[in-house]
Amino acid sequence: DGGITQSPKYLFRKEGQNVTLSCEQNLNHDAMYWYRQDPGQGLRLIYYSQIVNDFQKGDIAEGYSVSREKKESFPLTVTSAQKNPTAFYLCASSTRQGTDTQYFGPGTRLTVL
Amino acid sequence: AQSVTQLGSHVSVSEGALVLLRCNYSSSVPPYLFWYVQYPNQGLQLLLKYTTGATLVKGINGFEAEFKKSETSFHLTKPSAHMSDAAEYFCALSGNTGKLIFGQGTTLQVKP
Repeated sequence: DGGITQSPKYLFRKEGQNVTLSCEQNLNHDAMYWYRQDPGQGLRLIYYSQIVNDFQKGDIAEGYSVSREKKESFPLTVTSAQKNPTAFYLCASSTRQGTDTQYFGPGTRLTVL
Repeated sequence: AQSVTQLGSHVSVSEGALVLLRCNYSSSVPPYLFWYVQYPNQGLQLLLKYTTGATLVKGINGFEAEFKKSETSFHLTKPSAHMSDAAEYFCALSGNTGKLIFGQGTTLQVKP
């Protein structure tokens, strides 16, 4: 079945540690996205990528980094510079950026201890 | 600037009653509009999408939404609520920035 997978489902991190969240899609989509979700704040865009080896900052990129070495994969690293990383992180993909429908993965809940 | 406003962060209805979730948007270009549903600790699932053409859009699970340009609205409705409809619902807009802009979300509670 085609879809988007995110791992792990739950992630715990100690302060000062970097962690990497995985996002993989087998939909043959060109564009991929990372969102952060906090209660009552909707979804906020962290980074997005329209094509392999290229990505752009979203609205809240500080403290995060990404790579896009393969079309299928768009991992997100939450660095120690992110001051409040505890949140629900959602990955999405679409055939191309813009008006195309974005399809979402199941999410990763990150908790900083 | 483009924006999406969902009126009411929490909506409560009785099972079998009409569901109405409100969404207003602001866009300087013709918008593409979306409704997504999110169940607890899950990703977002597309309910329906408006691009161009027919202003009444039918989606999954009996939901539909009507695009009203004059009112800049895209309200989501369902004639009869089921307990399984309890979830968070997000309205989103895609416009000239190429990005998807989300509303704050509305939590739907369905009472037996």
